[in-house]
Amino acid sequence: QKEVEQDPGPLSVPEGAIVSLNCTYSNSAFQYFMWYRQYSRKGPELLMYTYSSGNKEDGRFTAQVDKSSKYISLFIRDSQPSDSATYLCAMSETSYDKVIFGPGTSLSVIP
Amino acid sequence: GAGVSQSPSNKVTEKGKDVELRCDPISGHTALYWYRQSLGQGLEFLIYFQGNSAPDKSGLPSDRFSAERTGGSVSTLTIQRTQQEDSAVYLCASSSSWGQGETQYFGPGTRLLVL
Repeated sequence: QKEVEQDPGPLSVPEGAIVSLNCTYSNSAFQYFMWYRQYSRKGPELLMYTYSSGNKEDGRFTAQVDKSSKYISLFIRDSQPSDSATYLCAMSETSYDKVIFGPGTSLSVIP
Repeated sequence: GAGVSQSPSNKVTEKGKDVELRCDPISGHTALYWYRQSLGQGLEFLIYFQGNSAPDKSGLPSDRFSAERTGGSVSTLTIQRTQQEDSAVYLCASSSSWGQGETQYFGPGTRLLVL
């Protein structure tokens, strides 16, 4: 079993839809959780960062962490064609540990 | 420059040849990371540098892989005797210090194809 699992998609939604992206993990010691967005032929860019359980909101993006279920989510409201990208979840045990990435979910937002 | 740069952007080589991949981190960033991204796979950690030192080389797949960093700036990842399974995108990232993994800034990557 991989440490971090993520449905690769592709996920296709109409513009304006709410998108839910999810990751599960096996290491209960993970405390730092991140979501990266990667456009085609570009490097990943950090979208959201959360510590421990709970929710964090930034504009149209909301990150949720449920450590009891070892499950994290990223919600995108009012999705736009510019949100079309691959979304990678990532996590680490402490801020001094290497970051473990999920394989990414490919998202297409159709105008 | 404003961001992390990598060169070459694309590299095609023959099996058995050596390749060198270069990373220029953001000016002033002391931590530098190398990852490999294969189709359908997540980013695979290879190595990181704090300054010119590489405390964690655990991710290097084999002894054909090596990396160095000079002057606390530019880093080179070298793959000797390349194999077809080395084909991937090699990504470099930098951050202001180790211990802030959440603030890694990535370069665009080098796409390596081994024929």
